[in-house]
Amino acid sequence: EPEVTQTPSHQVTQMGQEVILRCVPISNHLYFYWYRQILGQKVEFLVSFYNNEISEKSEIFDDQFSVERPDGSNFTLKIRSTKLEDSAMYFCASSEESAAVYGYTFGSGTRLTVV
Amino acid sequence: DQQVKQNSPSLSVQEGRISILNCDYTNSMFDYFLWYKKYPAEGPTFLISISSIKDKNEDGRFTVFLNKSAKHLSLHIVPSQPGDSAVYFCAASGKTYKYIFGTGTRLKVLA
Repeated sequence: EPEVTQTPSHQVTQMGQEVILRCVPISNHLYFYWYRQILGQKVEFLVSFYNNEISEKSEIFDDQFSVERPDGSNFTLKIRSTKLEDSAMYFCASSEESAAVYGYTFGSGTRLTVV
Repeated sequence: DQQVKQNSPSLSVQEGRISILNCDYTNSMFDYFLWYKKYPAEGPTFLISISSIKDKNEDGRFTVFLNKSAKHLSLHIVPSQPGDSAVYFCAASGKTYKYIFGTGTRLKVLA
């Protein structure tokens, strides 16, 4: 069964450092997403991406965040200058156009710990 | 801004019985609803969906009911199995497919 792959599974970084979280979506999917889940809280939408541009973003997704699809297969989330409160599980997801029927397929997540 | 609420943080059910997980939403513009299951250290796994034109959708042991007038949906699992023990999230969206997730209900199925 096709899956969304995320690397690394766990990243520890110093506050103020830049991190790049990587995702390989399912190959025939057209829509890509990043969500995050702070420990003990709900899964929160960050950004959606389609046709090489951001289609929607949440208020969490400020100037410190950016996304890129550098080579047609990877989808990355960059946090420019990490803060302690960025510590969370970050989930990448992808979908065919009909996400309403089949939902997203999520990756297993990257646990980001900012110290 | 709690547009999607799961008011029961946890639920315990005997194996073989019915599990009923509830979800309420406030935004009448939501048209699409999903249920996800999540195990520790894994990403959410899609279970079942329903759109606002239907009031019921069934897939094997899983049935989702939607009551649009009450802005309420529920997931029924019959019969419940120990492997169903996980956190269950409902999620809702309008036409943009930006899904808003509930806070989750931890289901424990007792053998």
